[in-house]
Amino acid sequence: DTAVSQTPKYLVTQMGNDKSIKCEQNLGHDTMYWYKQDSKKFLKIMFSYNNKELIINETVPNRFSPKSPDKAHLNLHINSLELGDSAVYFCASSLGLAVYNEQFFGPGTRLTVL
Amino acid sequence: AQSVTQLGSHVSVSEGALVLLRCNYSSSVPPYLFWYVQYPNQGLQLLLKYTTGATLVKGINGFEAEFKKSETSFHLTKPSAHMSDAAEYFCAVTDFQGAQKLVFGQGTRLTINP
Repeated sequence: DTAVSQTPKYLVTQMGNDKSIKCEQNLGHDTMYWYKQDSKKFLKIMFSYNNKELIINETVPNRFSPKSPDKAHLNLHINSLELGDSAVYFCASSLGLAVYNEQFFGPGTRLTVL
Repeated sequence: AQSVTQLGSHVSVSEGALVLLRCNYSSSVPPYLFWYVQYPNQGLQLLLKYTTGATLVKGINGFEAEFKKSETSFHLTKPSAHMSDAAEYFCAVTDFQGAQKLVFGQGTRLTINP
């Protein structure tokens, strides 16, 4: 009965490849996020969507393209992977755009680029 | 821009001892403040938050934090540590510039000694 789920949990790939991470939430939320956590545990927002509309694009390279087919899903596609993309990527969701609303996080996807 | 500093990347306490995790923030407007916890190989979970009103806020698992405007602090405490409290703890502040988002500190790893 997972609230926010991500697939895959682990992703190991070569530089230059294209990969996708999928996120789904069953909480009925209308706002979803992608965060990147680097090797030093620093967590930074990448994107947010509200009702399938892009709200935040935090100066992320164009190689990263989020896509929200509906309110319950937010996928992340990464083109031409680079070594620096290695990180843990977290999806999150909340009810509404207000920043004081609790964000519910998925378990993360650990991406390793070789 | 808003920022968060967590003093001490690693804190170690004995089981039953007081837990004190420090967080100082920088904000040009009255902030909303949050503490999230990340257990190993899991996503983040909200412990507690301060938005307005009472400056001492209580959260889950016996944690509490006090908003001190004069000290720009939001330290997290728990009177008696339990082994299950071992985790990474993140303090976050709201950034109201543009689209609202959370800005996280670098995290503090809490270790509990038996």
